[in-house]
Amino acid sequence: QQKVQQSPESLSVPEGGMASLNCTSSDRNFQYFWWYRQHSGEGPKALMSIFSDGDKKEGRFTAHLNKASLHVSLHIRDSQPSDSALYFCAASDNNAGAKLTFGGGTRLTVRP
Amino acid sequence: DAGVTQTPRHEVAEKGQTIILKCEPVSGHNDLFWYRQTKIQGLELLSYFRSKSLMEDGGAFKDRFKAEMLNSSFSTLKIQPTEPKDSAVYLCASNPGTGAYEQYFGPGTRLTVL
Repeated sequence: QQKVQQSPESLSVPEGGMASLNCTSSDRNFQYFWWYRQHSGEGPKALMSIFSDGDKKEGRFTAHLNKASLHVSLHIRDSQPSDSALYFCAASDNNAGAKLTFGGGTRLTVRP
Repeated sequence: DAGVTQTPRHEVAEKGQTIILKCEPVSGHNDLFWYRQTKIQGLELLSYFRSKSLMEDGGAFKDRFKAEMLNSSFSTLKIQPTEPKDSAVYLCASNPGTGAYEQYFGPGTRLTVL
């Protein structure tokens, strides 16, 4: 079983809509979480990190972390076609970011 | 600042060949990672270096995969001999190594083994 699991595998939302992505860890040592985004033909790029319980907002992106359940989510409001990409959740057991464990990814498509 | 550089961007090899992929991390970064990305397995860690020392060498990849960090600004990943199942995108990433910093990824090398 993968230590970091993402759902759904794929998601389609209309332009301007809200996209919600989920991630759950099965390893209690993982306390630090990142969201990465990968456009076709490029390497993944970090969107945001979340290390504390609660919400963290950066522009149209909001991450939520519940350490008790090891669940983290990413919500994208006012989705744009340029948000269409593969989104990865990643976790580490130290905040240096070294040795991240990645989830399988969620493919987001934003329909114009 | 220059990001992570990977060469070549595309590589086609015959089964049994030896190929070498190259990576230049962000200047000043201490951690370097090699990943393999496939649709089925996702992102798999192949090797992890800290200050040029090998910290982790992915168990399943040890026999034909060898990563080296020749100096702080250059790393190679050698696959010998290649097999068709090695067809994937190989990504290199670097990280400053201290504090809560992100990993910076290169654009990847797409390897096709015939």
